[in-house]
Amino acid sequence: EPEVTQTPSHQVTQMGQEVILRCVPISNHLYFYWYRQILGQKVEFLVSFYNNEISEKSEIFDDQFSVERPDGSNFTLKIRSTKLEDSAMYFCASSEMSGGPTYEQYFGPGTRLTVT
Amino acid sequence: AQSVAQPEDQVNVAEGNPLTVKCTYSVSGNPYLFWYVQYPNRGLQFLLKYITGDNLVKGSYGFEAEFNKSQTSFHLKKPSALVSDSALYFCAVKAEAGGFKTIFGAGTRLFVKA
Repeated sequence: EPEVTQTPSHQVTQMGQEVILRCVPISNHLYFYWYRQILGQKVEFLVSFYNNEISEKSEIFDDQFSVERPDGSNFTLKIRSTKLEDSAMYFCASSEMSGGPTYEQYFGPGTRLTVT
Repeated sequence: AQSVAQPEDQVNVAEGNPLTVKCTYSVSGNPYLFWYVQYPNRGLQFLLKYITGDNLVKGSYGFEAEFNKSQTSFHLKKPSALVSDSALYFCAVKAEAGGFKTIFGAGTRLFVKA
């Protein structure tokens, strides 16, 4: 069964450093998403991406964040200057469509980001 | 605005007993509703969804959920709990019309005692 993959599984970085989290969505999917989960808290929507542009973003997704689909397979989340409060589990997801009776988001296993 | 409420932080049930994890939602228009399970240090596993059709939906591992439009609820149920069902459960909603984001509830920790 196809699945969303994410690398690395765990990233440790120092405050102020840039990090890039990588995701490989399911190959025929057209919609891509990033979510984050601060330890012990709820899963929060960050951004959705379609047709090489952001389709929706939350208030969390400020100028420190950016997303990109640099090639036909990868989908990346970049945090320019990490802060301690960026420490969280980051989940990538993808879907074939944005709605409809068969709509479903498939989530990756997550990248645990630790900012020290 | 979309929102999801899971009123219980934790649900405790004895193995073999039925379990219910509650979820209510608020969304403009028709909802897409989902349940996910998360085991320690793991990602989100899809359990089931309601998009359209029968109000009672069946999912993975013997779980089911009932969509109740009048009560705006989507409670997760299982007739007979297993110790291995112990995990964190998230209810989530997406608006059918427009929008791309899925909003998650705060999660309910299910503890099944042997």
